[in-house]
Amino acid sequence: GAVVSQHPSWVICKSGTSVKIECRSLDFQATTMFWYRQFPKQSLMLMATSNEGSKATYEQGVEKDKFLINHASLTLSTLTVTSAHPEDSSFYICSARVGGILEDNEQFFGPGTRLTVL
Amino acid sequence: AQSVTQLGSHVSVSEGALVLLRCNYSSSVPPYLFWYVQYPNQGLQLLLKYTTGATLVKGINGFEAEFKKSETSFHLTKPSAHMSDAAEYFCAVSSTGGFKTIFGAGTRLFVKA
Repeated sequence: GAVVSQHPSWVICKSGTSVKIECRSLDFQATTMFWYRQFPKQSLMLMATSNEGSKATYEQGVEKDKFLINHASLTLSTLTVTSAHPEDSSFYICSARVGGILEDNEQFFGPGTRLTVL
Repeated sequence: AQSVTQLGSHVSVSEGALVLLRCNYSSSVPPYLFWYVQYPNQGLQLLLKYTTGATLVKGINGFEAEFKKSETSFHLTKPSAHMSDAAEYFCAVSSTGGFKTIFGAGTRLFVKA
């Protein structure tokens, strides 16, 4: 149980285009999803926290208009990188918290999406 | 505020030797502590977690960690390393009612044959 999927697993795009990454909780409802960015050989950097049915909360320094997050249902959150540039190339990982278990704070992670912008 | 420090960005052990990955945390409230493992180009997998209760926590793949409040530590150990343990390991801290999880910088474990 508690499986999170991401699609696509990797994507290559041209500079200036937009890319959408999907994060799905397959066997549970996730009221909260998180989006992270990971640079090579570095730790995870939290980009934003996404709650179902409301606007995402972005971390300081993360451009809201560039990284659009939508959490339209309890099983799906999307991250759209708009007008992508080579510096946006990175490994993007989502995670989800099981709704209702607030005392645990365990997150279940997706397999990640490798974005390369040419 | 919470923070996590992982001592040693790289640790190398021989197959069959003890694995010890160090993690110290800072938290003004009782912490929840986690260890995750990441294999290349994959997401994170939970190894074990401490929330409350027994301070020695056993996880998957033979790993365990001990919460030591007096030392603000949560070191990860495994008695005998396997080649398959070679990966990146992240220590993380969260807290009751807190949504955010703070991750350490990670420690890459190398296992020599």
